Parts: sequence; structure tokens; C-alpha cells
Amino acid sequence: KNQVEQSPQSLIILEGKNCTLQCNYTVSPFSNLRWYKQDTGRGPVSLTIMTFSENTKSNRRYTATLDADTKQSSLHITASQLSDSASYICVVSDRGSTLGRLYFGRGTQLTVWP
Amino acid sequence: EADIYQTPRYLVIGTGKKITLECSQTMGHDKMYWYQQDPGMELHLIHYSYGVNSTEKGDLSSESTVSRIRTEHFPLTLESARPSHTSQYLCASSDTRPGSETQYFGPGTRLLVL
Repeated sequence: KNQVEQSPQSLIILEGKNCTLQCNYTVSPFSNLRWYKQDTGRGPVSLTIMTFSENTKSNRRYTATLDADTKQSSLHITASQLSDSASYICVVSDRGSTLGRLYFGRGTQLTVWP
Repeated sequence: EADIYQTPRYLVIGTGKKITLECSQTMGHDKMYWYQQDPGMELHLIHYSYGVNSTEKGDLSSESTVSRIRTEHFPLTLESARPSHTSQYLCASSDTRPGSETQYFGPGTRLLVL
């Protein structure tokens, strides 16, 4: 069964600190992996998208890594800000269908305290 | 900021009412999607469309219906709302060009059926 598991389920950190969110997947075949940020009451917004050949990709203070061999990804947030408080969702796409089906994790709820 | 809009943002209605959730995008995307998301849970695909006059059911069984008469418009209709339909509904769109698979999400509609 294709699955996407994220950890931790929730995380509280102080402003200015770094943190790392984890995503493990069993989706096969694999096309790409994306990290989305979803603010409360809003739709998800794409942070990064990584294909099989990419190991790391950065977007401002967000750095995503991908190990396609172990089927693991991480999202590292540097120097956290209050505005980083949100749910971070890992999404994996297969290439087994024309649609390129997406498998969603349940997200990690990050809270940044001042 | 993605050019995809959903109305209403919040809706409280009684059981048995017919409702239509509106979704429109101005990016000219061919692919559009409807997801259902409960608090703390992953997104579930309920409907998708490849283009005008194309609609398909997603992974999650839903009593809703959709239509795609115009490229920019993808409304979702519940003929008779029930309390079990209470959830957040997210609309998304994406380009069909290879490498442009990122989905852009609307702000969502939070539905409460009493």
C-alpha cells in the first residue's frame, strides 16, 4: 500500500531556532516529492518539489533533502519565524497513471513561540 | 499568490439543503481538483478534471458531483447535505505541461452541516 508518513505529528519551537521535519514514503514508482506549507484556514502552498535525481533543494530558509534509496525526505527550517507556524505537508507523486497520482501525508503541525 | 478562488469561505447550512461550492482559476490550467480535508488529516481527492467536459471521481467516495463547462470554473454540488459532509473542501489546479505539475490551491471552503 502506498503511504506517506510524517513525523513528528506536532512540534513547538522557539523563534529563531532551527527544526527538521521528516517524511517517509512507500510510494512506488516514484516521480517527485513536494513539501507544502498550509496556514490555518488556507490552502497549501508549494515550498519545494524534488525529483528522483535531486538530493537537496533550498527555498529561502527552507531546505529539503531527498534520499530516494531509503525513501526518506526532510524539511529543514532555519532561524524560524512566527510566520512559520503552519502545517507542513509532504506529498509524493507516482508515475503509474496519467494523472500522476498524489499521496498526501497528514502533515506536521509546527508552532513557533516568541 | 495563486490566482485560484473559492466561495464561500465558510458555510453553515441545515441537513437536506442543496449547495454548490464555487471554484475558479485565472491561470488557464487544464487540470482541476477537489479535495476534502478533515482537521489533522491528509487531503483526499474526491473529483478531478483534465479539461472542459472531463470529470472523474477521485479516491474518496463522495456524494457530490462536479461539472467543467468552462476551463476556469469547476463547481462542486451536494444535492442533499448531511452532517457527515462537514469538512474543509479545497480546490486546486495545475498545468498540463511536463515539469509544471505543482498544484495551486484555493483558500478552501469550510462547510458545517447541522
